[in-house]
Amino acid sequence: QKEVEQDPGPLSVPEGAIVSLNCTYSNSAFQYFMWYRQYSRKGPELLMYTYSSGNKEDGRFTAQVDKSSKYISLFIRDSQPSDSATYLCAMSRAIQGAQKLVFGQGTRLTINP
Amino acid sequence: NAGVTQTPKFQVLKTGQSMTLQCAQDMNHEYMSWYRQDPGMGLRLIHYSVGAGITDQGEVPNGYNVSRSTTEDFPLRLLSAAPSQTSVYFCASRRVGGNEQFFGPGTRLTVL
Repeated sequence: QKEVEQDPGPLSVPEGAIVSLNCTYSNSAFQYFMWYRQYSRKGPELLMYTYSSGNKEDGRFTAQVDKSSKYISLFIRDSQPSDSATYLCAMSRAIQGAQKLVFGQGTRLTINP
Repeated sequence: NAGVTQTPKFQVLKTGQSMTLQCAQDMNHEYMSWYRQDPGMGLRLIHYSVGAGITDQGEVPNGYNVSRSTTEDFPLRLLSAAPSQTSVYFCASRRVGGNEQFFGPGTRLTVL
């Protein structure tokens, strides 16, 4: 079983829709939870970063962490064609003083004008 | 700040050839790593380094070598290329205790 599971999609929604992207994980030692965005033929870039359970908002993006269910989500409000990208969840835990990052498979999202 | 840079952007090799993918960062990050990204497989860690002179294997190290002689550079060597190594390769860096990882633009490698 993979430590982090993410539905690869693809997911296609109309412009203006609310998008929900999700990941589940199996290791309760994960402490930090991240979402990366990767545009086509580019490297991933950090989009949002959370430490604790609960919600974190940044503009149209909300990251949600539920440690009791081992489930994280990214919500995109008022989605725009420029949000079309692959979204990767990532989480980290401390091993011997360093943070070990584990990535989900990535969900390919297309926002249709 | 250039961030993380990778060369070349594209490369085509024949089976059995060797080559080195270059990676450099100017953020003074101790931690550097190499990933490969394949459709349906996500990012898989090949090798990583927590500082100059220290390297370790990741999830899929076979067929690849690394070295870290300086903080800035972390080259990845393919010893004898195989078609299974056709992939997009990303170099990344971050602080050892940090979580924000900075990725390079990637190298698209095709092995015929």
